Amino acid sequence: KQEVTQIPAALSVPEGENLVLNCSFTDSAIYNLQWFRQDPGKGLTSLLLIQSSQREQTSGRLNASLDKSSGRSTLYIAASQPGDSATYLCAANNAGGTSYGKLTFGQGTILTVHP
Amino acid sequence: DTEVTQTPKHLVMGMTNKKSLKCEQHMGHRAMYWYKQKAKKPPELMFVYSYEKLSINESVPSRFSPECPNSSLLNLHLHALQPEDSALYLCASSQGGNGRRTDTQYFGPGTRLTVL
Repeated sequence: KQEVTQIPAALSVPEGENLVLNCSFTDSAIYNLQWFRQDPGKGLTSLLLIQSSQREQTSGRLNASLDKSSGRSTLYIAASQPGDSATYLCAANNAGGTSYGKLTFGQGTILTVHP
Repeated sequence: DTEVTQTPKHLVMGMTNKKSLKCEQHMGHRAMYWYKQKAKKPPELMFVYSYEKLSINESVPSRFSPECPNSSLLNLHLHALQPEDSALYLCASSQGGNGRRTDTQYFGPGTRLTVL
């Protein structure tokens, strides 16, 4: 059974700092790993998806890396802004069949960026 | 357009009521999902539909009954719920089809359910 852990549980930083969020998973037989953002009381917004054959993905100030063999992924946020404040979730995809995914989520990291 | 819509946004129901949650996507996705998220917890998978057929049921109690009438629509019928079923119910979809296990899942905004 896949288990996903995120460290730290919460992070508070001043605006402008670069920061790293960590995600680890126990079953390395994943098809991909996805990072999401969730604002309070809202749905999930997909940030980045890394396929199992990839090492990293970048989107703007975000960079996600994947080391499948060690069961780890990191999300790097450059030049953080107050608008980045949210809960960040990683999810490992161990597909249950041929045409759909099965995501297991970590507990999330609550990020607060203060001005 | 990568939008998944869910209605209603909020729902309050008694333990004897019957209600339904609705999810819709028009991206041509063939896999659709229901998740349950309790406060300060991550989403937990409930059901997966692939090509309008139920593919995964994560041992969800029968008081939750999913339905996929067509490829764009996913319903969750609720009956005789308990107060502990109060949560945010999230719908998601992914492209699916022909080994498409690697697709991004797109989530709707969720329905906030309160059971009195």
